[in-house]
Amino acid sequence: GAGVSQSPRYKVAKRGQDVALRCDPISGHVSLFWYQQALGQGPEFLTYFQNEAQLDKSGLPSDRFFAERPEGSVSTLKIQRTQQEDSAVYLCASSLFAAGGEQFFGPGTRLTVL
Amino acid sequence: GESVGLHLPTLSVQEGDNSIINCAYSNSASDYFIWYKQESGKGPQFIIDIRSNMDKRQGQRVTVLLNKTVKHLSLQIAATQPGDSAVYFCAENSNTGNQFYFGTGTSLTVIP
Repeated sequence: GAGVSQSPRYKVAKRGQDVALRCDPISGHVSLFWYQQALGQGPEFLTYFQNEAQLDKSGLPSDRFFAERPEGSVSTLKIQRTQQEDSAVYLCASSLFAAGGEQFFGPGTRLTVL
Repeated sequence: GESVGLHLPTLSVQEGDNSIINCAYSNSASDYFIWYKQESGKGPQFIIDIRSNMDKRQGQRVTVLLNKTVKHLSLQIAATQPGDSAVYFCAENSNTGNQFYFGTGTSLTVIP
């Protein structure tokens, strides 16, 4: 595709439900990042993949958060037993090379936990 | 118009004026910086970047200035247009890590 796509664009979950957020990066991009953006704040790093390898997951806020990129392209961010504090926009970004170059962002998934 | 990042997160300018958005970064080891523009409901969009071996870089209507001594970054937008209204973030990266750290952001409103 022309850019990074994310689905769903909006997700409403009841507290305690599991959710899965999908990211389709730009074809051929090596690096993939997930960010969490709270209302009125800048994006905060969650995790980073280089191809299928998750090289950095230091930003994941708890063990309820899990990300994977099994074939080095599409990535899924899963949140188990969602809590209200998980409500945020989840952004995915990809870059052509290893970390340090320009990142292209998707439109994000707005998660609301009731 | 000019903003001081964390202390003045909103900036309003008249159409046609120049805008200056400031950012103070925290990590002296950061060596790569990006300015992003984020419109409502969209992901951040790359505007311009600069590496630490430079102190100025120009693009189309935008200029980024880097002062490593005081760890300060600024974005200058010439002849600001209504389409420039958005939130602007600076992001810093160190070549020893994969993470980009984003600032709080400055909301720019252009008054027609």
